[in-house]
Amino acid sequence: TQLLEQSPQFLSIQEGENLTVYCNSSSVFSSLQWYRQEPGEGPVLLVTVVTGGEVKKLKRLTFQFGDARKDSSLHITAAQPGDTGLYLCAVRSGSARQLTFGSGTQLTVLP
Amino acid sequence: EAGVAQSPRYKIIEKRQSVAFWCNPISGHATLYWYQQILGQGPKLLIQFQNNGVVDDSQLPKDRFSAERLKGVDSTLKIQPAKLEDSAVYLCASSRYRESETQYFGPGTRLLVL
Repeated sequence: TQLLEQSPQFLSIQEGENLTVYCNSSSVFSSLQWYRQEPGEGPVLLVTVVTGGEVKKLKRLTFQFGDARKDSSLHITAAQPGDTGLYLCAVRSGSARQLTFGSGTQLTVLP
Repeated sequence: EAGVAQSPRYKIIEKRQSVAFWCNPISGHATLYWYQQILGQGPKLLIQFQNNGVVDDSQLPKDRFSAERLKGVDSTLKIQPAKLEDSAVYLCASSRYRESETQYFGPGTRLLVL
């Protein structure tokens, strides 16, 4: 059983459209991170959310942490081809508080 | 500031052969991580070093995988012997401290085992 479930697994949209991807769990977390991984590169941290209900904005990206701190969403407004990539959510878990990732949402934005 | 460096970028080997990956973390970063990312999945932590000591290697298949971080700087990850299921991207990351919010990832080494 995956600690973090991400949906959808794949998403292909046209430039200019809006989209939302989700990261869900049955566990409660003290914080949650979102990363973007472009082809041939390692993941890059986009944001860390800490407080239940917290909303953070990064240009056209809006991140929300669920009130119960079990889930999170990422909304992209007016998607651009440069937004193409694998979007991963991650939390710290285990005795060593290692970073555990979801399987990701592969986003393709077509020009 | 230079990022995390990894080499080689690509490697193709046959099963039962050996392979080694190298990582140079960001200067001054005490914590170094090796992750395995299988196609279609998120990265999975294999081993975490704090300086030159192992903090967590609970998910490292120790019968075939080994890693070291001599002098608390560069690190190598070795697979011996490789299996088909080891085909993956091996990512190295570093952070300033163990509890640092941000891990910085290298570009990864893409391994194909035939």
